[in-house]
Amino acid sequence: ETGVTQTPRHLVMGMTNKKSLKCEQHLGHNAMYWYKQSAKKPLELMFVYNFKEQTENNSVPSRFSPECPNSSHLFLHLHTLQPEDSALYLCASSQDPSYPEAFFGQGTRLTVV
Amino acid sequence: GQSLEQPSEVTAVEGAIVQINCTYQTSGFYGLSWYQQHDGGAPTFLSYNALDGLEETGRFSSFLSRSDSYGYLLLQELQMKDSASYFCAVTRPGNTGKLIFGQGTTLQVKP
Repeated sequence: ETGVTQTPRHLVMGMTNKKSLKCEQHLGHNAMYWYKQSAKKPLELMFVYNFKEQTENNSVPSRFSPECPNSSHLFLHLHTLQPEDSALYLCASSQDPSYPEAFFGQGTRLTVV
Repeated sequence: GQSLEQPSEVTAVEGAIVQINCTYQTSGFYGLSWYQQHDGGAPTFLSYNALDGLEETGRFSSFLSRSDSYGYLLLQELQMKDSASYFCAVTRPGNTGKLIFGQGTTLQVKP
């Protein structure tokens, strides 16, 4: 238990579906992140939020839409995804974006069919 | 831009010592972190070096040389449970700071 909870743990969706991934942290952190982890690839930073404001969008396609309503919650809205978007999506939080220790959730294993 | 290089795989036997190297090229550098990730699990923080030198935490030690843009993770008295992926990561300072990961090293510990 890292203090960062992601739901759902597994998700299968068609290319025309719309779904959302949810992340919640109970650590009082100010920064939250979305990472994508594909097989045999590094953890790819997607988005960074600091005090609910987006500070980084790492050239992520618009079919991925993040939302951060408050410092404890982070969503990733998905629509018209491609099969190559199948991956493990990890949420993390830290005191602030320059802090070296981040706490990760267990991830959502996404399969796009 | 940022890039971090690690070996993709390392194999060692129980009780041995293994060193996982990491070289980095980044625009802005705050420090080097190490994370462990077991199969199917979340990455977990192991150590952090902001200054040159060795940091020791139990069986794990981490080293940084800022002048060489190089660091390593040293695992001693290897145990089977140490089989996992190990990632180095750099932090960039400021309001646009972020944590950037290397591609990870898969460590297999054999009996």
